[in-house]
Amino acid sequence: EVLLTQSPGTLSLSPGESATLSCEASQSVSTLHLAWYQQKPGQVPRLLIFGTSRRPTGIPDRFSGSGSGTDFTLSIDRLEPEDSAVYFCQQYGSWYTFGQGTKLEIK
Amino acid sequence: EVQLVESGGGVVRPGGSLRLSCAASGFRFDDYAMHWVRQAPGKGLEWVAGIGWSRIAIGYADSVEGRFTISRDNGKNSLYLEMNSLRTEDTALYFCVKDEYCSANKCPFDSWGQGTQVTVSS
Repeated sequence: EVLLTQSPGTLSLSPGESATLSCEASQSVSTLHLAWYQQKPGQVPRLLIFGTSRRPTGIPDRFSGSGSGTDFTLSIDRLEPEDSAVYFCQQYGSWYTFGQGTKLEIK
Repeated sequence: EVQLVESGGGVVRPGGSLRLSCAASGFRFDDYAMHWVRQAPGKGLEWVAGIGWSRIAIGYADSVEGRFTISRDNGKNSLYLEMNSLRTEDTALYFCVKDEYCSANKCPFDSWGQGTQVTVSS
């Protein structure tokens, strides 16, 4: 089973700043099969990034992904209060596993 | 517009059974693999089970293997999860999920239902 470890656990930033969220895999993951999700309080998860760096239709370009091998990153530029959420990484190359999540607080 | 509506959740005692259903609309159901993903209160996401469009490819998380059975009826645009020998640790919100944006036949989860709550308690 591919384990995903996200860091930091919680990130507190101000509007206009940039956020960097990390996801480390216990074994190599293909860049084709790494995704990020955003879950706001009381809402269902929303797909933000797939294939490490590709955005689904409707996702702002403030959200970007990068990485390879065992280390992947979600970057969010020009933070807005509405970006407050928990962010999960997921690998879908070997069945499916999720990271434990990073809580992003915008104050 | 894709719509996924789950039903069948409830409160059940340990060792009991439940059958979850998901009614799908807004897309060609038999073109897509479908999944169940759960989220325990205040916790993260856990993939539970998935089934290919043709019902040939089926997979389960180790935590539910042998106790849960996923199935689908393409004629009724419906997905099901039969849950037996339920444990307290199965308590969670269960989401019906559709995949999309596939590469090499492997796909992330694009659309999510609102979920149905399963509570296992004595």
